[in-house]
Amino acid sequence: AQSVTQPDIHITVSEGASLELRCNYSYGATPYLFWYVQSPGQGLQLLLKYFSGDTLVQGIKGFEAEFKRSQSSFNLRKPSVHWSDAAEYFCAVGATLGGGADGLTFGKGTHLIIQP
Amino acid sequence: ETGVTQSPTHLIKTRGQQVTLRCSSQSGHNTVSWYQQALGQGPQFIFQYYREEENGRGNFPPRFSGLQFPNYSSELNVNALELDDSALYLCASSRRQGSGGELFFGEGSRLTVL
Repeated sequence: AQSVTQPDIHITVSEGASLELRCNYSYGATPYLFWYVQSPGQGLQLLLKYFSGDTLVQGIKGFEAEFKRSQSSFNLRKPSVHWSDAAEYFCAVGATLGGGADGLTFGKGTHLIIQP
Repeated sequence: ETGVTQSPTHLIKTRGQQVTLRCSSQSGHNTVSWYQQALGQGPQFIFQYYREEENGRGNFPPRFSGLQFPNYSSELNVNALELDDSALYLCASSRRQGSGGELFFGEGSRLTVL
């Protein structure tokens, strides 16, 4: 069975500092990997995705993520956070871009707090 | 191009009642997926519809059912509501092509069961 672990429930970062959110996954085959962001009262917005190719992927809003097969990890990074980055971040895994018959499996999320 | 829209945005029901949630797909999309997001949790896959048929289902009981219409809009029906059904219900549409297209999520319907 596929699973996603986000070890950090909350992370507090000062504005302008760098950010790394951790994600570990378990999947039987080559997965599609995703990072989504959810602002309060909003739906999910896709930040970036990975399936194959360069293991460092660039996304929207200045985010990037690195796929490490040996560690089953797909960590999200940003060099300098802005107050508007405060939100809930979800890592997800799936068989296809749309999840397919099993859908996407999401982690429990990491709540990002930005300190002024 | 309009995005995914869901209705109602908020609703309150009592235990044992039935609820219907609605979703309009993004223009050009022919597949709809539904997810349940309990408070403080990540979304959980309920089911997916393509060509008006259920195309896959997560670990949810049969009292969770759905429909997809010829215009690709969709409904999620939940019968015999339980307190644990309180959650944000997210609809996502996509364009099915080959291995399936990227999901675009609506803002959700927040259901409270008392």
